[in-house]
Amino acid sequence: DAKTTQPPSMDCAEGRAANLPCNHSTISGNEYVYWYRQIHSQGPQYIIHGLKNNETNEMASLIITEDRKSSTLILPHATLRDTAVYYCILEDNFNKFYFGSGTKLNVKP
Amino acid sequence: GAVVSQHPSWVICKSGTSVKIECRSLDFQATTMFWYRQFPKQSLMLMATSNEGSKATYEQGVEKDKFLINHASLTLSTLTVTSAHPEDSSFYICSARVGGDAETQYFGPGTRLLVL
Repeated sequence: DAKTTQPPSMDCAEGRAANLPCNHSTISGNEYVYWYRQIHSQGPQYIIHGLKNNETNEMASLIITEDRKSSTLILPHATLRDTAVYYCILEDNFNKFYFGSGTKLNVKP
Repeated sequence: GAVVSQHPSWVICKSGTSVKIECRSLDFQATTMFWYRQFPKQSLMLMATSNEGSKATYEQGVEKDKFLINHASLTLSTLTVTSAHPEDSSFYICSARVGGDAETQYFGPGTRLLVL
């Protein structure tokens, strides 16, 4: 079962930063936080992952709170092509992903 | 790098027939592959874990005799939907994982199955 909760949808203006929150209050010490996105009728695309420290790559930044009970994915300059469903996932001890409902991000011009 | 392909991308079949879906890691060897199913407007649901050289492990509620999984090599896993029925119509997605402490799962593009 999914161990994360996310808002069902969010809007963001094109060119602005999109901040997508995720709660994972039952996270255990060795569970990584992964973020993927799924554009309609495609397979999920990897974005970023982290354990304790904040992470940044060419796509996004991941901010994990000190207690690790929540995280935020930041898309610094959202474009129309970033419209997708974003999933926050915890990898369990058997390396499995249990997807929650995700957040539908609508980037508007 | 880290490309996963699926074949076919879509398939239409008659009720009662079997359908095989292939999942390949193109530029890396995958010790573990996963199979997911996604119904319209729903999230991905994990069906099974496929490990090279051993039997697949299925999630609760997934019929192992209906969804046959074979992981014959480090780059290929197949999912066979046996005696397909209309309720098996869905979007089937595989992922491949290299292994290690925090290795990412890379997803295929998915296979859309329609059973008439």
